[in-house]
Amino acid sequence: GAVVSQHPSWVICKSGTSVKIECRSLDFQATTMFWYRQFPKQSLMLMATSNEGSKATYEQGVEKDKFLINHASLTLSTLTVTSAHPEDSSFYICSASEASGRNPGEQYFGPGTRLTVT
Amino acid sequence: AQSVTQLGSHVSVSEGALVLLRCNYSSSVPPYLFWYVQYPNQGLQLLLKYTTGATLVKGINGFEAEFKKSETSFHLTKPSAHMSDAAEYFCAVSQNTGTASKLTFGTGTRLQVTL
Repeated sequence: GAVVSQHPSWVICKSGTSVKIECRSLDFQATTMFWYRQFPKQSLMLMATSNEGSKATYEQGVEKDKFLINHASLTLSTLTVTSAHPEDSSFYICSASEASGRNPGEQYFGPGTRLTVT
Repeated sequence: AQSVTQLGSHVSVSEGALVLLRCNYSSSVPPYLFWYVQYPNQGLQLLLKYTTGATLVKGINGFEAEFKKSETSFHLTKPSAHMSDAAEYFCAVSQNTGTASKLTFGTGTRLQVTL
């Protein structure tokens, strides 16, 4: 149980284009989803927290107009990287926490999406 | 505020030897503590967690960790390393609020297992 999927697993796009990454909780409802960014050989950096039906809360230094997050349902959150540039190339990972509260504090992680901007 | 310190960005052990990965945390409230493992180009897999109760927690793949409040530590151990244990390990802390809260990660420790 508690499986989170991400799509696509990898994507290459040209500079200036936008890319959408989906994060789905497959077998549970997620009131809260988190988006992380990870540079090579570094730790995960939290970008934003999204709650179903409300606006995402962005961490300091993260451009909300560049990284658009939508959490329209209890099983789906999307991250859109707008007008992507090579410096946006990174590994993006989402996670979700259960609405039921069965495992408080625990987040279930997706497999990640490798974005390369050329 | 909360933070995590992982001592040693790179640890190398021989196959069959003891694995010890160190994690110290700071938290203004009772913490939830986690260890995750990450294989190349993959997401994070939960190894084990401490929320409340028994301070020695056992996880998957033979790993265990002990919550020591007096030392603010949550070190990860495994009695005998296997080649398949080679990966990146992250310690993380969140606040014990009973609801979804942010995870703060350590910088990670890369475990190398040699023959």
